Amino acid sequence: QVQLVESGGGVVHPGGSLRLSCAASTFVFSNYAMHWVRQAPGRGLEWVAVISYDAKNKYYADSVKGRFTISRDNSKNTLFLQMISLTAEDTAVYYCARINEHIDTFDIWGLGTMVTVSS
Amino acid sequence: DIVMTQTPLSSPVTLGQPASISCRSSQSLVFRDGTTHLSWLHQRPGQPPRLLIYKISNRFSGVPDRFSGSGAGTDFTLKISRVEAEDVGVYYCMQATQFPYTFGQGTKLEIK
Repeated sequence: QVQLVESGGGVVHPGGSLRLSCAASTFVFSNYAMHWVRQAPGRGLEWVAVISYDAKNKYYADSVKGRFTISRDNSKNTLFLQMISLTAEDTAVYYCARINEHIDTFDIWGLGTMVTVSS
Repeated sequence: DIVMTQTPLSSPVTLGQPASISCRSSQSLVFRDGTTHLSWLHQRPGQPPRLLIYKISNRFSGVPDRFSGSGAGTDFTLKISRVEAEDVGVYYCMQATQFPYTFGQGTKLEIK
């Protein structure tokens, strides 16, 4: 079964940093662009960032631009999100999601990892 | 950014009755290849979203045929022909036509 498993979430102080990982299995990870989407407690979904299959292209939401960096290691089937200068507004469940270019939407989502920014 | 607006935000429905959710985008979602990158997602409490409908009206693998999508341009609709208990949760429309991808606010479906 196609699977995405996030890790690396936790509690961090304002101004702190965190690195999230997303391990992919049972599909050819290097063939797919990958995204991060987040959801603040009790709120809706917010797209965060995307990285192309070959890591040559990356785009970010304005709310995280300059603070978050998306990357990937295709040899390890893993997606990353490096987050710095975190604020309370970054508190959310972070999901990684696969974009299926045949249907032009997210077909696979991970279970998510919770990031809490609090003093 | 493309703003996605859903109505209603809450929908109490009787089991076995139909339900309908509307989604309007602030600009056309037609991509340069002529396809429309509008999809519908369903999220149950404590779970990640799951894909229901892609490109306006195509049901994803395993999605029951009581779910249907329609629309064009900037106006879209998700319909459930007969609501079942497992359909509760929040429904989101989403556009993947241009970055940043954006979602509707969500519509909470609950059983009366």
